Amino acid sequence: GQNIDQPTEMTATEGAIVQINCTYQTSGFNGLFWYQQHAGEAPTFLSYNVLDGLEEKGRFSSFLSRSKGYSYLLLKELQMKDSASYLCAVPSSGGYNKLIFGAGTRLAVHP
Amino acid sequence: DTAVSQTPKYLVTQMGNDKSIKCEQNLGHDTMYWYKQDSKKFLKIMFSYNNKELIINETVPNRFSPKSPDKAHLNLHINSLELGDSAVYFCASSQDPSGVPEAFFGQGTRLTVV
Repeated sequence: GQNIDQPTEMTATEGAIVQINCTYQTSGFNGLFWYQQHAGEAPTFLSYNVLDGLEEKGRFSSFLSRSKGYSYLLLKELQMKDSASYLCAVPSSGGYNKLIFGAGTRLAVHP
Repeated sequence: DTAVSQTPKYLVTQMGNDKSIKCEQNLGHDTMYWYKQDSKKFLKIMFSYNNKELIINETVPNRFSPKSPDKAHLNLHINSLELGDSAVYFCASSQDPSGVPEAFFGQGTRLTVV
């Protein structure tokens, strides 16, 4: 089966850098997703990693190590609007039609 | 020009009632989903449809019945509502992967059963 672990909560200061970790166990790997979810809103897609290494997209970067079953989301130059939950997700062994989500990491950015 | 839209956004109803949530996507995607997010914020898949055909049915009480009249619509009907059904229900859609198979989510329906 699949299992995803990520920290429940994190806090950081505006302008700083924060790294949100995610470890996963899955039978058959089809990539790893990061989603952002503001309180009371829908999850929105941030990144998708299928190969090892770092993918950078503006202030956000996502890293994957398939051999370690590990990913992280790196947020730079934090802004207050980055306060949200960050969800790590992997497709099920059956394919992309079923995403298995972690419980999410609630990030609070303080001035 | 909302990509995935679901209605209503809020739904408050009494135990035992039957209610429906509607979802429509204008992205031309083949696959649509219903997810449930409970009070602990876990987002769990309930159903997945591909071109109107049911492909995933997680362990969900049969009081929940999805219906897909066409590939752009996936509605969720819930019979005999219970207190434990209170949650936020998200509709989502994705295209069969030819590139990045990201899912697009609707704004959610907050269901409160009293």
